[in-house]
Amino acid sequence: KQEVTQIPAALSVPEGENLVLNCSFTDSAIYNLQWFRQDPGKGLTSLLLIQSSQREQTSGRLNASLDKSSGRSTLYIAASQPGDSATYLCAVITGGGNKLTFGTGTQLKVEL
Amino acid sequence: GAGVSQSPSNKVTEKGKDVELRCDPISGHTALYWYRQSLGQGLEFLIYFQGNSAPDKSGLPSDRFSAERTGGSVSTLTIQRTQQEDSAVYLCASSLSGYNYGYTFGSGTRLTVV
Repeated sequence: KQEVTQIPAALSVPEGENLVLNCSFTDSAIYNLQWFRQDPGKGLTSLLLIQSSQREQTSGRLNASLDKSSGRSTLYIAASQPGDSATYLCAVITGGGNKLTFGTGTQLKVEL
Repeated sequence: GAGVSQSPSNKVTEKGKDVELRCDPISGHTALYWYRQSLGQGLEFLIYFQGNSAPDKSGLPSDRFSAERTGGSVSTLTIQRTQQEDSAVYLCASSLSGYNYGYTFGSGTRLTVV
């Protein structure tokens, strides 16, 4: 059974800092990995999708990397802003089905 | 539509009543998912529809939960005889055809059973 873990569970940083969020998964036979953000009381917003054959994806100040063999992904946020404050979730799709297995989330707070 | 639409956005119901939650996926998306997010918990898979194939119901927590998808588009999640532990945010997501294209989530329905 696929298990996805995110470290740290919570993170507080001053504005302008670069930061890294970590995601690990136990079954490396994934089809893809997707990063989402969730604002309080809201649904999920997709940030980046990495196919299993890819190593990284970039969108603006966000960069996600994938090391499938070691079961790890990182989300790098450059020059963090208060508007980045949210919960960040990673999710994988594993062979044998098409359902996303979500990580436990990292709650990020960027302070002025 | 431009995104995944869910209704109602909030629902308060009395214990024992039945509720119906609706999801309108993005037009043309063949895959549709329901997830549940309880307070302080992660996202729990409930059910998955792909085209005309039989749905994957492996995540439904009890036989009080059922879902259907009519005409390959709109989906309804029904919870019968609601219990307080059913209180959660119910999220719907759709995808063009599965894992190659990623998933788009709706804003969810917050269900409170009193």
